[in-house]
Amino acid sequence: EPEVTQTPSHQVTQMGQEVILRCVPISNHLYFYWYRQILGQKVEFLVSFYNNEISEKSEIFDDQFSVERPDGSNFTLKIRSTKLEDSAMYFCATKQDSLNTGELFFGEGSRLTVL
Amino acid sequence: AQKVTQAQTEISVVEKEDVTLDCVYETRDTTYYLFWYKQPPSGELVFLIRRNSFDEQNEISGRYSWNFQKSTSSFNFTITASQVVDSAVYFCALPYSSASKIIFGSGTRLSIRP
Repeated sequence: EPEVTQTPSHQVTQMGQEVILRCVPISNHLYFYWYRQILGQKVEFLVSFYNNEISEKSEIFDDQFSVERPDGSNFTLKIRSTKLEDSAMYFCATKQDSLNTGELFFGEGSRLTVL
Repeated sequence: AQKVTQAQTEISVVEKEDVTLDCVYETRDTTYYLFWYKQPPSGELVFLIRRNSFDEQNEISGRYSWNFQKSTSSFNFTITASQVVDSAVYFCALPYSSASKIIFGSGTRLSIRP
């Protein structure tokens, strides 16, 4: 069964460092998302991406965050200068089409710990 | 506005008991879908079910069943004869129509005691 793959599974970084989280979407999916889950809290939408541009972003997704799909396969989330409050599980999700009928397929998550 | 409410923060039952997880939603859409996801202790998000607002028939899949009632804007999830492996956080979710993202409820942590 096709799946969304995320790397790294866990990253520990110092405050102020740049972090890049990577996601390999399911091959025929066109819509990509990043979600964040702070430990013990709800899963929050960060950003959606389609046709090589951001479709929508939440208020969490400030100037420290960026996304891109540089090589047509990997979909990356970059945090330019990490803060303690960026510590969370980051989930990549993909969807085949734009309709609200389809479920999002989630990767296993990348746990980010900022010290 | 689109909103999903899971009022039960935590539920703990003894193995083999039946348990129902509640989900109440608000949507401005006339047609919509609802989802349930499971997050086991390992952390990944596992899709369980998608339901169309046109179809209010109960859905059963093994020990899992879902009761969708449009009149009360509820989409409840029942586990029959619960097992320890059912221990997880369960999220109800609703598409946010403007951008096709989905929004999640706050989740219900289910603990099944042996």
